[in-house]
Amino acid sequence: ETGVTQTPRHLVMGMTNKKSLKCEQHLGHNAMYWYKQSAKKPLELMFVYSLEERVENNSVPSRFSPECPNSSHLFLHLHTLQPEDSALYLCASSQDWSSTDTQYFGPGTRLTVL
Amino acid sequence: EDQVTQSPEALRLQEGESSSLNCSYTVSGLRGLFWYRQDPGKGPEFLFTLYSAGEEKEKERLKATLTKKESFLHITAPKPEDSATYLCAVPDSNYQLIWGAGTKLIIKP
Repeated sequence: ETGVTQTPRHLVMGMTNKKSLKCEQHLGHNAMYWYKQSAKKPLELMFVYSLEERVENNSVPSRFSPECPNSSHLFLHLHTLQPEDSALYLCASSQDWSSTDTQYFGPGTRLTVL
Repeated sequence: EDQVTQSPEALRLQEGESSSLNCSYTVSGLRGLFWYRQDPGKGPEFLFTLYSAGEEKEKERLKATLTKKESFLHITAPKPEDSATYLCAVPDSNYQLIWGAGTKLIIKP
């Protein structure tokens, strides 16, 4: 595997379910990001981790819970979601946070909340 | 307020018909401007970074230019495989990327 991978690629869940999204980066980067992408809207930054520590949390509802066990893996735990949370969830990584390093993206998880 | 605006929202061209996409920005101190390409159902793919006004970068049929207020992505003699959504982004004072909503480019054969 190379680059940034995400699983699953597609997820359908009910409002009462609990699920998790997984991201893995094979680039040796120190920073990892979760973004939400809704149709015809700009990417919204949700969380930033640098060396496994959360450095940014952009007013994201508590039904989204990130976890970064090491610098290569990032999870997004989902519970009690709403239909408006349906979107493409993108993971990205960069060499360092707080810099202008290029961010490299995974293919995303298409989430549908029924 | 930091802001990035892309225009047009969508652009349909015939194969071989050259054109330009616009990304205008307002940010306190430019720390770079990024262009990405995104195909349907995929994550954004990095194209270019520009750091200062007057800078230009090229890749195949694409050329990105930068002024103090905007960036252009020029596409010369496009092919159907250039069809995608093109995104631009600039870092704010906290180095968080502020993204435009993108331009969906459709090249008809």
